[in-house]
Amino acid sequence: KAGVTQTPRYLIKTRGQQVTLSCSPISGHRSVSWYQQTPGQGLQFLFEYFSETQRNKGNFPGRFSGRQFSNSRSEMNVSTLELGDSALYLCASSFRPGDEKLFFGSGTQLSVL
Amino acid sequence: QKEVEQNSGPLSVPEGAIASLNCTYSDRGSQSFFWYRQYSGKSPELIMSIYSNGDKEDGRFTAQLNKASQYVSLLIRDSQPSDSATYLCATSGTRAGNMLTFGGGTRLMVKP
Repeated sequence: KAGVTQTPRYLIKTRGQQVTLSCSPISGHRSVSWYQQTPGQGLQFLFEYFSETQRNKGNFPGRFSGRQFSNSRSEMNVSTLELGDSALYLCASSFRPGDEKLFFGSGTQLSVL
Repeated sequence: QKEVEQNSGPLSVPEGAIASLNCTYSDRGSQSFFWYRQYSGKSPELIMSIYSNGDKEDGRFTAQLNKASQYVSLLIRDSQPSDSATYLCATSGTRAGNMLTFGGGTRLMVKP
């Protein structure tokens, strides 16, 4: 059974640009959540999607957005990139919200120059 | 003050010893608690979950929860060099869904 797949693995952007990250959950998993990991702030929740609806959103500015498609795949978008957005972005999936057994993908390492 | 606090370490223990990792949380209504292990350059992996006061054992791992003291711990018996990793404590707080709050993690080093 394939795990959570995130693409791309690495990304380099410049300030002001926008970026889209992709996540394919484990087959059968319908809940997808996104986390940002930095050395200073650790792992922080961004948002959670289930059945194409955002269920929860973390304390991040509106430049961070996401969506989920009917096949449960999810994308997150960051517009007007700032240096502080440099981080590892992790996607996690589970069968449903509240399952709480999250399976994480390998992440997308974003560097903003 | 962070909602979930962990000593960043590193915690160094000799091979075969018991490693004790600790975590405190501020949301008194928190119901679910998790320990994730993250190897360097890898993604977090769930190793234990605990929901009730007391101990929960799984192989060499024991999670302990004390809601009155708002304290969670993870004991690793017979520590192996392969246990060297960062251990992340997390809670879902009082929120439904998969919105977890993580501590900063404790780096564990097991020396042969």
